[in-house]
Amino acid sequence: AQKVTQAQTEISVVEKEDVTLDCVYETRDTTYYLFWYKQPPSGELVFLIRRNSFDEQNEISGRYSWNFQKSTSSFNFTITASQVVDSAVYFCALRDMNRDDKIIFGKGTRLHILP
Amino acid sequence: GAGVSQSPRYKVTKRGQDVTLRCDPISSHATLYWYQQALGQGPEFLTYFNYEAQPDKSGLPSDRFSAERPEGSISTLTIQRTEQRDSAMYRCASSPAPRKGTQYFGPGTRLLVL
Repeated sequence: AQKVTQAQTEISVVEKEDVTLDCVYETRDTTYYLFWYKQPPSGELVFLIRRNSFDEQNEISGRYSWNFQKSTSSFNFTITASQVVDSAVYFCALRDMNRDDKIIFGKGTRLHILP
Repeated sequence: GAGVSQSPRYKVTKRGQDVTLRCDPISSHATLYWYQQALGQGPEFLTYFNYEAQPDKSGLPSDRFSAERPEGSISTLTIQRTEQRDSAMYRCASSPAPRKGTQYFGPGTRLLVL
């Protein structure tokens, strides 16, 4: 069965601090995609990144970086120099490449950036 | 269109009424998905369409839920005889093709059943 676990329900940090959101996944499949989505207070679901299981290179986009470790089935997300606008719920998600077409989401981590 | 749109954005209804939610996907996208997101949870898959075909409706919680996409573009999700437990955010997403690419989500319809 596929499962995504985001153990951190809620995190609060002071602005400009770095913060890492943890994601651990379970799948029997050898080929899959991993995603992060952001849900700001306005409620929409914004795509941030997609990684496939073949590519374990870490990725950096501005203040955002992602650390994919296949050996530990983790796909962690770090925000550097956090800003108040980063306050949101962040979802990690998993999708098999070949079988189902559904995305399996974690329960989300609510991030509060305090001014 | 430029992005996925959904209507209405908010819907309040009384228990027992039927509701229909609408999704307009990105115009070039073949595949359309419906998810249900309860408060404090991640979205959960309901069903998806590849053009008009509906290959997977395994996530629909009961036969009160149905979805259509008759012309392969706009889709509707209908909930008959609504119950309070149906209160949730209903999200639509689209992607260029099945099992390829990223699913891009619309703003959602927040449904409240009184």
